[in-house]
This record gives sequence, C-alpha cells and structure tokens, in this order.
Amino acid sequence: GAVVSQHPSRVICKSGTSVKIECRSLDFQATTMFWYRQFPKQSLMLMATSNEGSKATYEQGVEKDKFLINHASLTLSTLTVTSAHPEDSSFYICSARGLVADTQYFGPGTRLTVL
Amino acid sequence: QKEVEQNSGPLSVPEGAIASLNCTYSDRGSQSFFWYRQYSGKSPELIMFIYSNGDKEDGRFTAQLNKASQYVSLLIRDSQPSDSATYLCAVPDDYKLSFGAGTTVTVRA
Repeated sequence: GAVVSQHPSRVICKSGTSVKIECRSLDFQATTMFWYRQFPKQSLMLMATSNEGSKATYEQGVEKDKFLINHASLTLSTLTVTSAHPEDSSFYICSARGLVADTQYFGPGTRLTVL
Repeated sequence: QKEVEQNSGPLSVPEGAIASLNCTYSDRGSQSFFWYRQYSGKSPELIMFIYSNGDKEDGRFTAQLNKASQYVSLLIRDSQPSDSATYLCAVPDDYKLSFGAGTTVTVRA
C-alpha cells in the first residue's frame, strides 16, 4: 500500500521550454501532496505544498509563476516548470500525505536536465 | 521551523555489525518521528515511524524514542552492504515534515 508514482522519470528539454511532471497516489487518496527539489549531494528542499481543490502553498524563495502546481483530484498533482533554464536542472520528487498521522510517501522522482 | 539535527557521517560499519544513528529535535511537543532511507540517486523511502517512548522493532531495524531527552535513534542490526544509504530523520512541522540533513551509512563487506 501507499504507492506514489511519478511521470516521467527522466526528461531532457531545451532551455525556454516547459515541462510537466505528474505525481499520482495509486492506492490511496491524498488531499495533500508535496513537491521537493534535490541537487546532487544536498538535502531535500521543499518547494510547495499542494492541496486538492485549492491553491498551492509555496515555500519562501520559490517562484510560483515559474513552478506551476495543480492538484485537480485526490490522486493527481502536477508540477509544471515553465521557461526552464539550465539552473532548473535537478531531481524533483513528490510525496503524498498518508492516512496515518503525518506520514509522507515519496514518488520515485523525476530527473530534469535542461540544455 | 522545527530543527532536526543528525550527524552527517559518514558512518562506516563492517558487515554484520550494528549501525547506530541518532537524531535530536528542538520541539518538545513533537509527537511522531519518522526514519527514511535514501539510496544515492533515488527518492526517500519510509522505513519506520514511532510515536511512543521506548523501542519499536521491525525486522533488523529498531527505532528508539526518548521524548524527555528529545532524541530518536535508529539501530540497524546485522548490517548488510545493501543498507549503505543516507538515513533521514523527520518530525512533523505543522502540515509539513522537517528533515534532518541525513546520516550517510557505508557498510563494508
């Protein structure tokens, strides 16, 4: 139980294009999902909290117009990196809040490379 | 933001030994605690959570919680090379989780 999927697992795009990443909770409903970014050998950095049916809450320093988050259903949240630049290249990981207290279950991550 | 402190390591242990990881937290009111394992290049995986003082065992893993001293530890018994990873401690912080920086464990064959 508590399986979270992400798609795509890896994406390479040209600078200036937009990339959409999907995060799905496969066997449970998640009213809250989270988006993280992780650079090599660094800690997880929370970017935003996604709540079903409402606007996402962004962490300080994260541009909401650049990282668009949509949580349209109880099992799907999407992150769109708009006008991607090489410095956006990173490992993007989503998680879904489980039914037991504050547990978070992570997706496998999406490795984004912007050329 | 709630603070979570971990020794960054690396912690190197021989195969078959016990790996002991420690985590301290700042908020005395914290009620639940989580341990995640993250292999290099992969996403974190929940391995244990604990709410009550004392020990909680799951296979080769034992989580130990001492709320009075504000620390939670993770013991890995009979360490295997496959246990080589970074282990993250986390506590709830409002609707989020506050993570420690992680302890990197290397199990020597």
